[in-house]
Amino acid sequence: DAKTTQPPSMDCAEGRAANLPCNHSTISGNEYVYWYRQIHSQGPQYIIHGLKNNETNEMASLIITEDRKSSTLILPHATLRDTAVYYCFGKTSYDKVIFGPGTSLSVIP
Amino acid sequence: DTGVSQDPRHKITKRGQNVTFRCDPISEHNRLYWYRQTLGQGPEFLTYFQNEAQLEKSRLLSDRFSAERPKGSFSTLEIQRTEQGDSAMYLCASSLPLDYGYTFGSGTRLTVV
Repeated sequence: DAKTTQPPSMDCAEGRAANLPCNHSTISGNEYVYWYRQIHSQGPQYIIHGLKNNETNEMASLIITEDRKSSTLILPHATLRDTAVYYCFGKTSYDKVIFGPGTSLSVIP
Repeated sequence: DTGVSQDPRHKITKRGQNVTFRCDPISEHNRLYWYRQTLGQGPEFLTYFQNEAQLEKSRLLSDRFSAERPKGSFSTLEIQRTEQGDSAMYLCASSLPLDYGYTFGSGTRLTVV
């Protein structure tokens, strides 16, 4: 599994875009970049994943650099309900999920 | 099917007692995972099943811990002779084998007093 580095915490104003960075310089060619989040007192929730191309779904957008050494999760219009810990990691479709400490995002009114 | 269910949501037990937690995965998901999470940390992998077979166990799963999935549907996690260090949130998740996203339950919070 790729080793990832995320800032421990970030703030974002409500209604603004939240851009959460992740470094994964050791990611291997067959590992996808995944993002999950965990709202307080709930189980983690899958957000999005990608291999090389940028991805978008109803929750977020994922921007992966061309060298795949880093990525950014974008929440386009952050709400208070987006306050959570966000986890980034690399894994193949066969691997189990291994969580790091993640980034604690606080959305501020 | 509304997702992954875990029971109970909260459990308080005295040190030395045995406890058992149950997880009901999404019905068509044949992979089931157990994780443990302590305050301020990310979830830590404990074990996983594909159907009824337990395919991997973390070294965190000491001999006081046992997990079963007897018919490839629900799973149980038992902790014998609980210790205060076992106090944590125990999370269950399920997935299809090549599914890219896990679905987690809300967890069972264990407090050992």
